[in-house]
Amino acid sequence: NAGVTQTPKFQVLKTGQSMTLQCAQDMNHNSMYWYRQDPGMGLRLIYYSASEGTTDKGEVPNGYNVSRLNKREFSLRLESAAPSQTSVYFCASGRIQGDGQPQHFGDGTRLSIL
Amino acid sequence: SQQGEEDPQALSIQEGENATMNCSYKTSINNLQWYRQNSGRGLVHLILIRSNEREKHSGRLRVTLDTSKKSSSLLITASRAADTASYFCATDGTSGSARQLTFGSGTQLTVLP
Repeated sequence: NAGVTQTPKFQVLKTGQSMTLQCAQDMNHNSMYWYRQDPGMGLRLIYYSASEGTTDKGEVPNGYNVSRLNKREFSLRLESAAPSQTSVYFCASGRIQGDGQPQHFGDGTRLSIL
Repeated sequence: SQQGEEDPQALSIQEGENATMNCSYKTSINNLQWYRQNSGRGLVHLILIRSNEREKHSGRLRVTLDTSKKSSSLLITASRAADTASYFCATDGTSGSARQLTFGSGTQLTVLP
């Protein structure tokens, strides 16, 4: 059971470079989410997609863009990476947003911006 | 801004002891969820308690919710070394046009063999 798959697992970028983090889920979930996790701060929501074709900003969207490619895939793009974006990025999926169902997480992408 | 705040930030206990973690939040919620995160891994859902529930059990886990105090607690009984992880509460709030989970900063639990 793959669940939520994130690629790559690790990445080092230079300031100003761009990159896309990939996420795919095989649970037929409607909703997908991107979070970042910084030391001592828990997870903060960057963007989410309630269903295929829709995306919305979360708590910390600046510097990021997303694409809900289809029901399975939700990508996160950094157009011009900054050191402040050094973090661990998690993708999650859920059945229906707001219905009290749990979210299922990938194992994260550890991103360092030099 | 974070909705839930866990207490304590770190907890170290002996195997076999019980571990209690607390979570406080600020606004009304639909439900509150607890997640576990092992080092280097993603979060795993443990248990969900709805706003109209006061207590819920799942195996060695017991969760309580006090909406009047805006607080929840997670009790792990008879802890094992494998319970060593970070534990996060997450609230599903009622405000806004689309509800989202808001996570606290977590409790790092260490169970010593």
